Amino acid sequence: GENVEQHPSTLSVQEGDSAVIKCTYSDSASNYFPWYKQELGKGPQLIIDIRSNVGEKKDQRIAVTLNKTAKHFSLHITETQPEDSAVYFCAAINQAGTALIFGKGTTLSVSS
Amino acid sequence: GAVVSQHPSWVICKSGTSVKIECRSLDFQATTMFWYRQFPKQSLMLMATSNEGSKATYEQGVEKDKFLINHASLTLSTLTVTSAHPEDSSFYICSARDGVTRDGYTFGSGTRLTVV
Repeated sequence: GENVEQHPSTLSVQEGDSAVIKCTYSDSASNYFPWYKQELGKGPQLIIDIRSNVGEKKDQRIAVTLNKTAKHFSLHITETQPEDSAVYFCAAINQAGTALIFGKGTTLSVSS
Repeated sequence: GAVVSQHPSWVICKSGTSVKIECRSLDFQATTMFWYRQFPKQSLMLMATSNEGSKATYEQGVEKDKFLINHASLTLSTLTVTSAHPEDSSFYICSARDGVTRDGYTFGSGTRLTVV
């Protein structure tokens, strides 16, 4: 089935710096790649997603890039702020084409 | 936007008892809902896919007789943890996908289950 690898597991940056989180997936048939932000004790919140017919998508300080040939996608956060501190998860569609399979998560810490 | 309501947000139960968790799609119809389990500092692990009006599909290693899933309507799925044990203590999260627009997946706020 689908396997999603995510790196790094932890990331510490200074406020105002950029942060990049990378994920790879195994199933070439996957066509939907969302990124979620999860704060302690809460459910994941969608922050951005990309479909396989698009190479890049941007929403203010957040962008996602997709390389289907290499089967990897990345989250880019620019001008980081302390409130960006959270756990970020990438995901891809499972082999059945129904549910999301998640990476192991990245704990982002933004210090002021 | 799409909203998924999950209740309760936390529950404490005694070993051997059963606990029911509800997941409702508030402003859309969800023919398919998903149940995940998340242990501390770990990722979300898919437990089962719940289809309205039919039996749930469980992931390998998930006991279907222990984790009963019912999806009787287009807006409600329930997960019942039967004969709970301390090792079942975890954060349970549901997710739903709009059956019409088939847009992204929306997650509930999660249920913290503690079995004592």
